[in-house]
This record gives sequence, C-alpha cells and structure tokens, in this order.
Amino acid sequence: ETGVTQSPTHLIKTRGQQVTLRCSSQSGHNTVSWYQQALGQGPQFIFQYYREEENGRGNFPPRFSGLQFPNYSSELNVNALELDDSALYLCASSTPPGLAEWGHNEQFFGPGTRLTVL
Amino acid sequence: AQKITQTQPGMFVQEKEAVTLDCTYDTSDPSYGLFWYKQPSSGEMIFLIYQGSYDQQNATEGRYSLNFQKARKSANLVISASQLGDSAMYFCAMREGGLSGSRLTFGEGTQLTVNP
Repeated sequence: ETGVTQSPTHLIKTRGQQVTLRCSSQSGHNTVSWYQQALGQGPQFIFQYYREEENGRGNFPPRFSGLQFPNYSSELNVNALELDDSALYLCASSTPPGLAEWGHNEQFFGPGTRLTVL
Repeated sequence: AQKITQTQPGMFVQEKEAVTLDCTYDTSDPSYGLFWYKQPSSGEMIFLIYQGSYDQQNATEGRYSLNFQKARKSANLVISASQLGDSAMYFCAMREGGLSGSRLTFGEGTQLTVNP
C-alpha cells in the first residue's frame, strides 16, 4: 500500500448534483495530482496542487475544482454533474515538482473513488 | 496528438514465460520520464518501473525490465517468468514539465492475462 487514502470508495449521484472527493497524501509529500479514469481508458490528468495552489491543469472545465489544505490533503469538487463524469477518480501524491527534476519523482496513487452519475 | 501509444489492447502469456508490452511515446522535451503502472481489477495504480530520458542503462526491477530505445521513442515493458498474479491492466505513462508541474500522460493500457 502507498499510504495515500481516498474517500469515499464508491459514490452514486444524479445529474446536476455536486460531489466532493477527498484525498490524504503520503507522509512527506506536499504535491497532489488528480486523475479521471473512464471505463476502459487510461487516466486523464485533471489538475495538480502544490503549496495549496493549483499548479497545472488538464483539459477539464471549470466545474472541476480543487483545494489543498495545510496538511497537504486535498479535495476534488465537481459541480453540475453529467453522465460522462462517471469514472474512477484517482489521487496521487509526490515530492514537489522540480525537486527531483529528472530523478524518480514517482507519483503514489490511492485506491480511487468510483463515481457513478445516474 | 496522442503522446503515449500502447498498440496491444490485450495480451496472453503462459505462466512462467516472458512477455513484452509495447509502448511508444512522442515528446519534444529532451527531459522526460517514463513509467509503467499495473492496475488490478481493484483499481489501484501500482508503480512498477521508471526510466529517465538521460539514463544510460535500461531500468530493471526484479522480474520487470524496461527496453528503452530512445531513437525509436519506445519504452517496452518486459515481464519475465510470468505469474498468475500478473494478470492485470498495464499502463505506460510519461512525465514532462519540470517546475511547471509533473503531470503524467497515460496510454490506453494493455490487458495482460496469464494462463496456467
């Protein structure tokens, strides 16, 4: 196990609702990245948080937003849920970007939250 | 443009045999990192092996080795002595970015099935 935890493990929502997913990073890691993995596809980068600020964003609309807290835990918020938001949402923690610039800098993934939008 | 390409949606291998999972990538950044992850049906992404663009030797981690051919932009994963527990989805991923971020770009994955 990586030490990265996510909650809840499963969630069912209806279209138009809002959802908050939570992630606790591995000890010593202050960078958190979020990914969306639709069924049968590879994960897609949503955004990354470093020092409580967004540090890079993928091709996702503004209704996907996030927060990082002083203890480095993070939240992913999705407003106005759509059916296509149904996916596995993965959180990954790592050392700060650039610190191990072209060293390993592995991202440690949590078990994911499976979101179903009906 | 797709940056990571995995051309094998599914692969089958007999237990105890070796298998190669293909991965090609595209980047104009001279500095990058390549990763392989294993994803069992439970969903968690498990790190397997890493190769840096400046690494002179191919990476190895136990039964996993990475066949890195920089000029061809390929980073194939070789699993030796396959075990039943190796059955899972395998993803190749690339990291670019440096100080602006360290996002991973994933391929579509290869479903590996190990037969007894």
